[in-house]
Amino acid sequence: GGIITQTPKFLIGQEGQKLTLKCQQNFNHDTMYWYRQDSGKGLRLIYYSITENDLQKGDLSEGYDASREKKSSFSLTVTSAQKNEMAVFLCASSTGGYAEQFFGPGTRLTVL
Amino acid sequence: TQTVSQSDAHVTVFEGDSVELRCNYSYGGSIYLSWYIQHHGHGLQFLLKYYSGNPVVQGVNGFEAEFSKSDSSFHLRKASVHWSDSAVYFCAVSANTGNYKYVFGAGTRLKVIA
Repeated sequence: GGIITQTPKFLIGQEGQKLTLKCQQNFNHDTMYWYRQDSGKGLRLIYYSITENDLQKGDLSEGYDASREKKSSFSLTVTSAQKNEMAVFLCASSTGGYAEQFFGPGTRLTVL
Repeated sequence: TQTVSQSDAHVTVFEGDSVELRCNYSYGGSIYLSWYIQHHGHGLQFLLKYYSGNPVVQGVNGFEAEFSKSDSSFHLRKASVHWSDSAVYFCAVSANTGNYKYVFGAGTRLKVIA
């Protein structure tokens, strides 16, 4: 089996600050995803990467940047943190296509 | 664009009861449908998936789901729930268009009373 690690587990930032969330997977999966989960709501796709050198925008990409540094890692940057985007950010990976996704435990973002 | 709706935000049952969690989608073409479970403080875990074939699919821990094209539904069922099934359940759909994007429903919180 494999595991997805997200760092940090809790991230506290100031409004307007640039913040980076990291995700590592050892499944050797091709595809990786970043989702935002607001309290009591479903997941919304921010960015995804189908293969190592690919980057695709999701439905919620405005205000975020992403980087697929290598096959095993996928970072998400909040370009200017806002108080209304306090949420849990979930990273996921899959073998590709429509295969099941494996999720990390999440990073909880708080903006002061 | 595909959409997904989970009509029940909260469902409460007693241990040993059967349960059905509802999922409806809208999309005219071929579609992939999945269910995921999220225990408190954790990421999501895959339960089962449907694309074609037998409309009733079996998943882990006794869960099954049934696809209905006429009703645009993919409801999740379990015959006898355990207290450990208490969690939030998400339905996810992806249109077979080659962009591999899944759209997740808002989730149904299942509470099982022991």
